[in-house]
Parts: sequence; C-alpha cells; structure tokens
Amino acid sequence: SQKIEQNSEALNIQEGKTATLTCNYTNYSPAYLQWYRQDPGRGPVFLLLIRENEKEKRKERLKVTFDTTLKQSLFHITASQPADSATYLCALVGNYGQNFVFGPGTRLSVLP
Amino acid sequence: GAVVSQHPSRVICKSGTSVKIECRSLDFQATTMFWYRQFPKQSLMLMATSNEGSKATYEQGVEKDKFLINHASLTLSTLTVTSAHPEDSSFYICSARDPDPGPVTGQYFGPGTRLTVT
Repeated sequence: SQKIEQNSEALNIQEGKTATLTCNYTNYSPAYLQWYRQDPGRGPVFLLLIRENEKEKRKERLKVTFDTTLKQSLFHITASQPADSATYLCALVGNYGQNFVFGPGTRLSVLP
Repeated sequence: GAVVSQHPSRVICKSGTSVKIECRSLDFQATTMFWYRQFPKQSLMLMATSNEGSKATYEQGVEKDKFLINHASLTLSTLTVTSAHPEDSSFYICSARDPDPGPVTGQYFGPGTRLTVT
C-alpha cells in the first residue's frame, strides 16, 4: 500500500537558520508533489507544487526538490522566522489529480 | 487566491443527533470538493470526493449512510454526520480545486469545523 513518511514529527531550529523537511514515499509514482502549511485549528494552505520532471522549485524563501529515483522531496525554508512555525504537510498527486494522499506532517518550531 | 469557507466553525451536539457542515467556494466554481477528517496530531484522512450533480465517492472504510454528502451546486457541498457518536468527534475540513489553472493544482482548504459529540 502507499506510504508517505515525513522526517520527524517535530523539528526545532533557531531563527535565521534554514529548515529542511523531508518527505519520503513508497509504492506510489506521483505525477506531482505538493507542500502545504497548516496552523493549529485551521485548514492547510497550499504552498508549492512540483512536477515529477522538475528537480527544483523556488518561491521566495521556499525551495522544494523532487527526486523520483530516491522517492523523496526536500522542503527548505531559508532565513527562517518564528512566524514560519507550523505543521508542514507533503501530498502526492496522480496524473489527473487523483489519488491525493497526505503525509503525516512535520511540526516546525522556529525559536527566536 | 481562491477562498473556501466552512460553516459552522465549531459545533457541539448530543449523541444520536445529526449535524450538517457546509462548504462553499466563494470566488470560483468547484465541480469537485473533498471532505477530510483530522484527529489530533494526525494527518488529514480523505473521507469522500464530492462531485456536483452526482453521487459522492467514498473512501474505503467510510460509511456513506453515516456521512451524507450533497453537492447540489457548483459552490456548495454539505456533509451531514447522522446519528453522531462521541467517536465522530473530530476536525472536519473540506477543500476544492480551482479548475481554471488546470486539473492539477493545489487544493484550497476551508478553515475546518470542530465537531464535539457529547
């Protein structure tokens, strides 16, 4: 069965450092991989989408890589700020938007 | 970006009663909406896919007679939890895809509904 793992349940880093979150998957060949941010008691907010034929995608302080050989995506937040503290979810998507599966999430805390 | 609203944001009901949760796409038409359930410190679990004008598609293990979904218009989908029990207490979140940018985009999530069954 499909399985998605995110590197750790919680990650603490110091303000100004780069946060790196990992998403690994098995038994799935996604066409797309997405990253979301979720704050407590709120719905997730879409951040970035990367296609299977893309190696890297950037948006402001965010960078996502996608390695279909390793079946892994890395999500980086550079110059992290306390406001970046949240849970970050990766999601795998099939070719036509089907088989949408979320990872368990990593709770990031950026310490001032 | 696209906005999805949910109502109510929080509801407390007694065991055995039914609760209806509304999900609306405010500035776009959503032919497909999704309903998720999220337990504390766990990820989102897809319950069903709601298609406008047709029956919803339920994920394995989700009772369609207990979780009634109606997608009567392109901007509104409702989830009714029938004969609610304490184990149905959870955070329910809907989402929709804006069809304009193409078939595969990020989903736009509602703010969620916290259901507590006493």
